[in-house]
Formats: sequence, C-alpha cells, structure tokens
Amino acid sequence: NAGVTQTPKFQVLKTGQSMTLQCAQDMNHEYMSWYRQDPGMGLRLIHYSVGAGITDQGEVPNGYNVSRSTTEDFPLRLLSAAPSQTSVYFCASSQGQGSPLHFGNGTRLTVT
Amino acid sequence: AQSVSQHNHHVILSEAASLELGCNYSYGGTVNLFWYVQYPGQHLQLLLKYFSGDPLVKGIKGFEAEFIKSKFSFNLRKPSVQWSDTAEYFCAVNAGTGANNLFFGTGTRLTVIP
Repeated sequence: NAGVTQTPKFQVLKTGQSMTLQCAQDMNHEYMSWYRQDPGMGLRLIHYSVGAGITDQGEVPNGYNVSRSTTEDFPLRLLSAAPSQTSVYFCASSQGQGSPLHFGNGTRLTVT
Repeated sequence: AQSVSQHNHHVILSEAASLELGCNYSYGGTVNLFWYVQYPGQHLQLLLKYFSGDPLVKGIKGFEAEFIKSKFSFNLRKPSVQWSDTAEYFCAVNAGTGANNLFFGTGTRLTVIP
C-alpha cells in the first residue's frame, strides 16, 4: 500500500522552463489536492479535485495548471517557471468531506 | 474566508516540560479541526482530529487538543514532551461543507532540548 506517491523528490528549473509534478494515490480517494509550503506561511492550497474530470482553484492557483483524467493521478503543471515558485510542493488525498488528508513526501522545487 | 492563526512561531522546551500550542480559527459555521505534525525532512502526518462530540480529543503519541467553540480555539497539549517531539506543528480547519479543502496555520516549530 504505497499511499500518495510524488515524483520527483527534487527538481531545479531555469526561469521559463516547464515541468510536471506527478502525484498518484492507490487508495481510491475521490479528493486530491496540491499545496505549496513556504517558510513562515504554512501550507497554501493551489488546486484541488473532487473527482475525475473535476478540478478547481485554491488560494494560490496562478502559474499552475492541473487535470484529473483518472481517480489515481493528479499532476501539477508549471507552464513557465518563475523564481517565486521555488517551494516545497505536497500532494494530498482523502476519502471525502471532513476526512483527514494523506500527504505525499513532497517535491522540493528550485527555480533559478 | 477561513483563516487559522498560530501565534507561537517557535517554542523551545526542555524534556518533560508541558506543552500547549495555540490555534484560533475564524469561521462561524460547523468546522472540522486537525493538528498535523511534520518531522524534519518528512511529510505531514495527522496527530488528531475533531469532528463532533467530546471537545477533548486524544491523538497519537500522548497529544490531546481541546475544542472551545466560544473561543474559536483548538489548542494542542502534551503533559510531558520528549526530544523526539521536535517537529513543526500545523493546525488546520475545514469548513465542514463542500470540498475537503483544509486551511492551515503558519505552523509552530517546537524544539525540545534533552
């Protein structure tokens, strides 16, 4: 039982490059979300999904795109990376409304 | 909009000292409340949660939290901390309706000195 799996663990990008952060869960959870964690700011919600084919914006969606073609996968795309996107990114999933979130191990992204 | 305040940014305690970390939230309706812990270099793990019922909830590793509705608070406590409790602690709130989006506080870093 792998839980929530994120890849890669580390990534360095140059300004303007694009990349996709992968997230997969094997718990058949309908709800998935992406957070970014920055020092002194806690975790902030980027995008979330309540099921396959349904996505919506969180607190800080600018510069990020998501899609949810399957229940298992919820990739986060950076179309044109900026230094302000340097952060640690966490993917999370849960069974339903009010259920605790299960977090992945995070991706540390540096944009130079 | 919901918000969560954690007023203690960094707490330093000696082993066996008692711990209380403050958490206040701003939302007038039904809420689900959580405390998560993040050990150095790791992801967030659930410590405890409150949905309804007894306002004093017990979690893993001897932690407990008390929900005081009139004060919009959900403080985390532990009678006697250990060195292994050194970590960052996050309070989070969910509005109880709609999508399962959690709003997190900025976190409290706890350092326990042996």
